[in-house]
Amino acid sequence: AQSVAQPEDQVNVAEGNPLTVKCTYSVSGNPYLFWYVQYPNRGLQFLLKYITGDNLVKGSYGFEAEFNKSQTSFHLKKPSALVSDSALYFCAVTWRAGSYQLTFGKGTKLSVIP
Amino acid sequence: ETGVTQTPRHLVMGMTNKKSLKCEQHLGHNAMYWYKQSAKKPLELMFVYSLEERVENNSVPSRFSPECPNSSHLFLHLHTLQPEDSALYLCASSLAWGELFFGEGSRLTVL
Repeated sequence: AQSVAQPEDQVNVAEGNPLTVKCTYSVSGNPYLFWYVQYPNRGLQFLLKYITGDNLVKGSYGFEAEFNKSQTSFHLKKPSALVSDSALYFCAVTWRAGSYQLTFGKGTKLSVIP
Repeated sequence: ETGVTQTPRHLVMGMTNKKSLKCEQHLGHNAMYWYKQSAKKPLELMFVYSLEERVENNSVPSRFSPECPNSSHLFLHLHTLQPEDSALYLCASSLAWGELFFGEGSRLTVL
């Protein structure tokens, strides 16, 4: 079984400040982790993924995520938030290479305040 | 423009109606998916079609029926739905099991 937890329904951050959106996971075996973003009235867009290798993964729009195996976490980060980053962020995990079955978290709403 | 097109974008139907959602991808992908998105719930994988497998979430009621005539087209046939089926239905595609590319969704309201 696999699961994802996004402990915060909403995160508020001031423009220009660093942001973190938290994600923890539970899988049997090695995790394959993803972050997606959803802007209002749109579908989800892929941001970044961790498969193997370097624990710090860089993605689109200046986002990065750090894989921490001991804490089973994959937090999304950005050094300086923009108002345009305001959106819904989803973490997802699968446990098996070649699996089509991603498990998504409930999502975290990020609001960047001007 | 995402390369994955869903129609209709909005659908209102009664509980006795039969309707279909359509999805088309122009990305050359070989896997297609239906997800259900309800407020404050995780995205729910409903169905996957790929060259290797067809996956059905056993918790999806039989009033939802998928059809995948080829690798570019995916349908979700709806019949005798319930008000709790009202949600955003998202189609996605991928190349093998890589990252998903989503359509903009079909907002379904069941009266």
